[in-house]
Amino acid sequence: QVPLVESGGGLVKPGGSLRLSCAASGFTFSDYYMSWIRQAPGKGLEWVSYISSVGSTIYYADSVKGRFTISRDNAKKSLYLQMNSLRAEDTAVYYCARRGPLGFLPSWGQGTLVTVSS
Amino acid sequence: DIQMTQSPSSLSAPVGDRVTITCRASQGISNSLAWYQQKPGKAPKLLLYAASKLESGVPSRFSGSGSGTDYTLTISSLQPEDFATYYCQQYYSTLWTFGQGTKVEIK
Repeated sequence: QVPLVESGGGLVKPGGSLRLSCAASGFTFSDYYMSWIRQAPGKGLEWVSYISSVGSTIYYADSVKGRFTISRDNAKKSLYLQMNSLRAEDTAVYYCARRGPLGFLPSWGQGTLVTVSS
Repeated sequence: DIQMTQSPSSLSAPVGDRVTITCRASQGISNSLAWYQQKPGKAPKLLLYAASKLESGVPSRFSGSGSGTDYTLTISSLQPEDFATYYCQQYYSTLWTFGQGTKVEIK
């Protein structure tokens, strides 16, 4: 049983929107902070956002602030990333990850590819 | 934001070699540092956290050290399965950041 499974990626035009989902299983989702991390093709890892266990604390990287919104539904054991005003530079594989007791990330999904192109 | 600078960006080494990768933070991060291994087409895998604590199931040939702004990942005897890209990540700040990665290749 894969603990984190992302979905919702695809091809979108610049200026468009996309909503990513991450389905969790095998652990008590509501106990954990969750995060989104992305990786542009051939590039390194970039932290995007994280959300506290009850959704009261949220942070974003400067590169996505004001355009992306992270949210969660603990009853559905799901994490979301609403991405608006997409740009070519948002093209990447987007991973969801579970945060450990501090800020490290012991569990990752397999990723979903977002391509922003006309 | 705290900037993380890894060196080298790539290295080539034979099986059995001792390999060291360095990560430098733009300010002190009080050992709030993790190391990840990523193989092509796969998600990153946590190796160490709190600078030197080995994640469960990770071979003991991996070790970490450092303090303040400077941290090191060491592979004591490089194995074929260790050829991958390695990333450091600071979680001292509320805005997390990763190093740019170090690609370890076969010599």
